[in-house]
Amino acid sequence: AQKITQTQPGMFVQEKEAVTLDCTYDTSDPSYGLFWYKQPSSGEMIFLIYQGSYDQQNATEGRYSLNFQKARKSANLVISASQLGDSAMYFCAMRGLSGGSNYKLTFGKGTLLTVNP
Amino acid sequence: SQTIHQWPATLVQPVGSPLSLECTVEGTSNPNLYWYRQAAGRGLQLLFYSVGIGQISSEVPQNLSASRPQDRQFILSSKKLLLSDSGFYLCAWARDKTQPQHFGDGTRLSIL
Repeated sequence: AQKITQTQPGMFVQEKEAVTLDCTYDTSDPSYGLFWYKQPSSGEMIFLIYQGSYDQQNATEGRYSLNFQKARKSANLVISASQLGDSAMYFCAMRGLSGGSNYKLTFGKGTLLTVNP
Repeated sequence: SQTIHQWPATLVQPVGSPLSLECTVEGTSNPNLYWYRQAAGRGLQLLFYSVGIGQISSEVPQNLSASRPQDRQFILSSKKLLLSDSGFYLCAWARDKTQPQHFGDGTRLSIL
C-alpha cells in the first residue's frame, strides 16, 4: 500500500519569496515515481514536476524543484520567486513502478498556498 | 501536441437519473486513461483505469461504470445516480504507467 502525507493544510508566502511544501510518503514498492500537481480554483489539475526513485539528481522545472530525500521518504516541492498566480492547491502523489504495481496514483490531501502581494 | 477534452463542465442531475461523462484524448494513440473523483477539499480517488479498448479496471466498488469504446474515448456512466455521487470528476491520460498523468478540466456533478 502507498500513502502520501501533506502536513500543511495551508501556507502563506510573500510574492517573490521562496516556499517549501512538504510531502512524505510510504510505500513497499522498490521503484516508484513522485509527482506534484497544482490545482487552481478553476479545478484543473496541472502537472508540475516528476521525480523517479532511482534518479540521482533532484528534479527541476523552471521555478519548481523537488527536494528528494529518499532515506527520509520525503519529496518536498520548492517554488522559487513566488508569483500571485502560484496561489492554488498543491498535491503530492506517487505511483509504484515495479512489475506488480497497478496504475494507481495515490494523492495526498493537498496544501493550499496563498501568495500575498 | 496532446490534448484532453472532458465534458460537460458542470452538471446538475436528480437522484435516480442516469449519467454519462465523456473524455477524449487527441494527439496520441493507445494512451492509458483514468477516471478520478475529488470530494470537496480532498485529494483525488481513482475510480477506473484503462490500458486499451474494452479493458477497464475498477478501483472501488460503487454505483458507477466505465467504458472505452474507442482508443481515445473514455466514458463514465451510471444507471441511477445517488446523492453520494456528487463531486468533481476528472479524466486523465498518460503514455504509459511510468509517465505523468495529464488531466482534463473536470466535471462538477451535483445531485439534487
